[in-house]
Amino acid sequence: AQTVTQSQPEMSVQEAETVTLSCTYDTSENNYYLFWYKQPPSRQMILVIRQEAYKQQNATENRFSVNFQKAAKSFSLKISDSQLGDTAMYFCAFMKLFPNNAGNMLTFGGGTRLMVKP
Amino acid sequence: DADVTQTPRNRITKTGKRIMLECSQTKGHDRMYWYRQDPGLGLRLIYYSFDVKDINKGEISDGYSVSRQAQAKFSLSLESAIPNQTALYFCATSVERGSTQYFGPGTRLTVL
Repeated sequence: AQTVTQSQPEMSVQEAETVTLSCTYDTSENNYYLFWYKQPPSRQMILVIRQEAYKQQNATENRFSVNFQKAAKSFSLKISDSQLGDTAMYFCAFMKLFPNNAGNMLTFGGGTRLMVKP
Repeated sequence: DADVTQTPRNRITKTGKRIMLECSQTKGHDRMYWYRQDPGLGLRLIYYSFDVKDINKGEISDGYSVSRQAQAKFSLSLESAIPNQTALYFCATSVERGSTQYFGPGTRLTVL
């Protein structure tokens, strides 16, 4: 079974600064996807960014980027120019791809609570 | 209007009661999922369905059942609720294998 570990339960950052959230995962699979989801106080789960394991290039989405190290099984999220609205829980998630189009199961880490301070 | 909706948004019930949580989507996705969120544990998969005739157990299905009434509707039932089923429940949808899952707003369930 896959496991996803987020070793930082809580983090804080000053507005406009950069912060990096860590995520490691354990799998024997070679083909998979990785995600970061954001959960603000409204509790809605919002997709932040997605990475395909077969792509070497790190995904970016505006102020959000990842550092994907496949050999090290590491998938960190960098938030640049942090804004107050970035305050939320952030979840790293792993998606294993079953053969024969059987499914796409998400396994989540325990989350990192990020506080952006003015 | 939201693409994935869940009803109710909040529910308090008593031990032993039967509870149904409902999920509807207007995204036209075939695949639907039910997750449970507990503090410090992230989300865990309860059941998933790839079409109306295909329903599968997830990681923590014991004590739960589901019904896929139509492509757009997927319900989760607790036949006899117990306090350790107190949690935040999310419905999600996706298009195909490997695609992103989109989540509903969640239902906070408290079992006394």
